[in-house]
Amino acid sequence: SQTIHQWPATLVQPVGSPLSLECTVEGTSNPNLYWYRQAAGRGLQLLFYSVGIGQISSEVPQNLSASRPQDRQFILSSKKLLLSDSGFYLCAWSLLGGKNTEAFFGQGTRLTVV
Amino acid sequence: QKEVEQDPGPLSVPEGAIVSLNCTYSNSAFQYFMWYRQYSRKGPELLMYTYSSGNKEDGRFTAQVDKSSKYISLFIRDSQPSDSATYLCAMRRGGATNKLIFGTGTLLAVQP
Repeated sequence: SQTIHQWPATLVQPVGSPLSLECTVEGTSNPNLYWYRQAAGRGLQLLFYSVGIGQISSEVPQNLSASRPQDRQFILSSKKLLLSDSGFYLCAWSLLGGKNTEAFFGQGTRLTVV
Repeated sequence: QKEVEQDPGPLSVPEGAIVSLNCTYSNSAFQYFMWYRQYSRKGPELLMYTYSSGNKEDGRFTAQVDKSSKYISLFIRDSQPSDSATYLCAMRRGGATNKLIFGTGTLLAVQP
């Protein structure tokens, strides 16, 4: 069965510090991978998605970047965190194409920038 | 106008009540519709998945899609305190990128 791992679960970082959040998927090949951010009362905002190694699409301009160095690894990064980067970050995967393409989520990382 | 609108609640009901959760959307190209349940401080988990219009039932949960009205619903029968969570609707168009568009979520509290 497929599983998705996301870490760390919580993170407190000072303003201006770098960020690296990692997500890995097991049990499937060539998944679509996603990074979402969830702010209170605002639902899930899609930040990045990837359909393959090295292929990253950005949905919104921001202080963050994403990379996919391996098929089942997705990394969210920042060189210098802002206060506004605080939030709940979720990684998700889905299969390419077809009808059975619902997304499955990791358990999230709660980031607090202080 | 947001592509997907969802009443944030909170919605408070007594145990055993029938719960109705709804979303409206503006993009007629959406074909796939999902409901996710999210417990506090956890990632969303897929609850129901529907392709195109119609009804789908799974135990106490029923998902309805009315594409002509651009309206989807999730019904929970015999609600339990363990159903207390935030419920997010999500939808997407056809195609390989599978970008899901989410509603803001409705916070449900089932009182024992």
